[in-house]
Amino acid sequence: SAVISQKPSRDICQRGTSLTIQCQVDSQVTMMFWYRQQPGQSLTLIATANQGSEATYESGFVIDKFPISRPNLTFSTLTVSNMSPEDSSIYLCSVGGGRVNYGYTFGSGTRLTVV
Amino acid sequence: DAKTTQPPSMDCAEGRAANLPCNHSTISGNEYVYWYRQIHSQGPQYIIHGLKNNETNEMASLIITEDRKSSTLILPHATLRDTAVYYCIVPGGTSYGKLTFGQGTILTVHP
Repeated sequence: SAVISQKPSRDICQRGTSLTIQCQVDSQVTMMFWYRQQPGQSLTLIATANQGSEATYESGFVIDKFPISRPNLTFSTLTVSNMSPEDSSIYLCSVGGGRVNYGYTFGSGTRLTVV
Repeated sequence: DAKTTQPPSMDCAEGRAANLPCNHSTISGNEYVYWYRQIHSQGPQYIIHGLKNNETNEMASLIITEDRKSSTLILPHATLRDTAVYYCIVPGGTSYGKLTFGQGTILTVHP
């Protein structure tokens, strides 16, 4: 299975600022996924990022707030823009779901606190 | 995605088998059942998946009923490190389906 490196592992940010989270995969993957996990909650999918096309956002998430880049098949970034304390969460990237139904692999997450 | 239903919490004694049930009555014929777990402060970890046959790997066994409407994840000899939230997921659509996480089952393994 793929190995994911996610950075930063944690950060404390001022409200109104933006944070860009990086996700690096050790192999080429077609689809990458970004999730949010709010305190005490389960994971919620933010968007699906395909190389060479615009990300597909889930209901309740918009590109202006969570812009995503996918410049190649091994890398993606998620930016949390104009942050407020409500954005304090763990953000995770994931890859997988290939045709032979390999398991999905998750990064270790970015723990974001907005003050 | 097919909806899944899991008990919110379960307990298990260390060294005993942990049997975690999952109902997925609306599953389609070509949809797989995936199990993941999330240990505190870590990203979810893939455990096992199956279509209709029982599956076993180094981590666990997966028993899927003949009608495929439910499944059971079995940790044969639970340890304290198996304490985690366990998620049963049925990705929808194509093989590239995204994962929809429910609340899962909090498994607590006691000494």
